[in-house]
Amino acid sequence: DVKVTQSSRYLVKRTGEKVFLECVQDMDHENMFWYRQDPGLGLRLIYFSYDVKMKEKGDIPEGYSVSREKKERFSLILESASTNQTSMYLCASSLPGVSIYEQYFGPGTRLTVT
Amino acid sequence: QQPVQSPQAVILREGEDAVINCSSSKALYSVHWYRQKHGEAPVFLMILLKGGEQKGHEKISASFNEKKQQSSLYLTASQLSYSGTYFCGTESTTSGGSNYKLTFGKGTLLTVNP
Repeated sequence: DVKVTQSSRYLVKRTGEKVFLECVQDMDHENMFWYRQDPGLGLRLIYFSYDVKMKEKGDIPEGYSVSREKKERFSLILESASTNQTSMYLCASSLPGVSIYEQYFGPGTRLTVT
Repeated sequence: QQPVQSPQAVILREGEDAVINCSSSKALYSVHWYRQKHGEAPVFLMILLKGGEQKGHEKISASFNEKKQQSSLYLTASQLSYSGTYFCGTESTTSGGSNYKLTFGKGTLLTVNP
């Protein structure tokens, strides 16, 4: 069964802390994505990666960075967390070719920055 | 720029039909539809590629009008299990090719009551 897992369901951090969100997929997918989901704003793409060590900015990359050292793992990094980064973070993966392949989503990490 | 979904919310009685629209200001390569139930990850429904095709999935179908840069999701004879938030994700074209990412709308909350 297809699976995308995220390291934490809930996370509370303080302003200024460095935060790591981890995502692992077991489907050997080339593409991996990080989205944030806020009420009334839908899903917004932060970064995506189409191969190991490759990354592309999404629509809202400011304040975030990513790392992909292994095919199955994609990390989202908040270098210095701020309160406006309080959100639900969703990771997804897919086969190569955005047009024709579905994205599989993880359960999400609800991050609160105080 | 996010595609615009309408309506923002709709309430149905079991057995009624609904249409959810997704409209983009950009030329589209493909449109994806996902459903997210409360507290769960988004789940894939279908993909439509440019060419005006219509797809079906049981009692849920969708159309894609490439010229109008619009897609519509049709839910017929709705069931309680159809409740959730529906998102369209659009893949835009750049110089005739894909921009390799999905931009999601803000979602349409569908509630089906007995």
